[in-house]
Amino acid sequence: GQNIDQPTEMTATEGAIVQINCTYQTSGFNGLFWYQQHAGEAPTFLSYNVLDGLEEKGRFSSFLSRSKGYSYLLLKELQMKDSASYLCAVMDSNYQLIWGAGTKLIIKP
Amino acid sequence: DAGITQSPRHKVTETGTPVTLRCHQTENHRYMYWYRQDPGHGLRLIHYSYGVKDTDKGEVSDGYSVSRSKTEDFLLTLESATSSQTSVYFCAISESGGSYNEQFFGPGTRLTVL
Repeated sequence: GQNIDQPTEMTATEGAIVQINCTYQTSGFNGLFWYQQHAGEAPTFLSYNVLDGLEEKGRFSSFLSRSKGYSYLLLKELQMKDSASYLCAVMDSNYQLIWGAGTKLIIKP
Repeated sequence: DAGITQSPRHKVTETGTPVTLRCHQTENHRYMYWYRQDPGHGLRLIHYSYGVKDTDKGEVSDGYSVSRSKTEDFLLTLESATSSQTSVYFCAISESGGSYNEQFFGPGTRLTVL
């Protein structure tokens, strides 16, 4: 079966750095996406990785290791508005997105 | 923001009644998707469309049907709603179905089946 695993919840302090991990087992791989979802709102796109390595976009970076079936999302200089759920999704061999259950990130002052 | 609207935004219905949810886009994107989101689960694909009158099943299609008669509209129908279909339903769109396939999501419809 196909499976995406990520921690259910994490807590971090404003101004700090947090790393959210995602491991996956899918039938095929055509890229990995990270989305942000604030409570009661729609998911919004954060990043896309298809090759191994780090993609940096402002305060957010995403890393991929295809051989290990592993990705992480790194958030720097945390702000209160970063309190949200972070969704990891892998595009499988049929070009369908397989989604993790999401990691709820709580930011404390 | 991508122009995607969903209607209704909230609905309460009774078991056994038919329900239709509407997704409307103004982006002229070819692909449209219906997902459901439940606590403890990731988004799960119900059905998707890759063009007018072209649709296919997703992971959790049982009990749902869809129709797309125009590029901009994608309808999801629950023929006879059950309590297990209580969920938040998201519509999404994308320009293509290829590997770089950023999906843009609508605001969601919260459906409660009593």
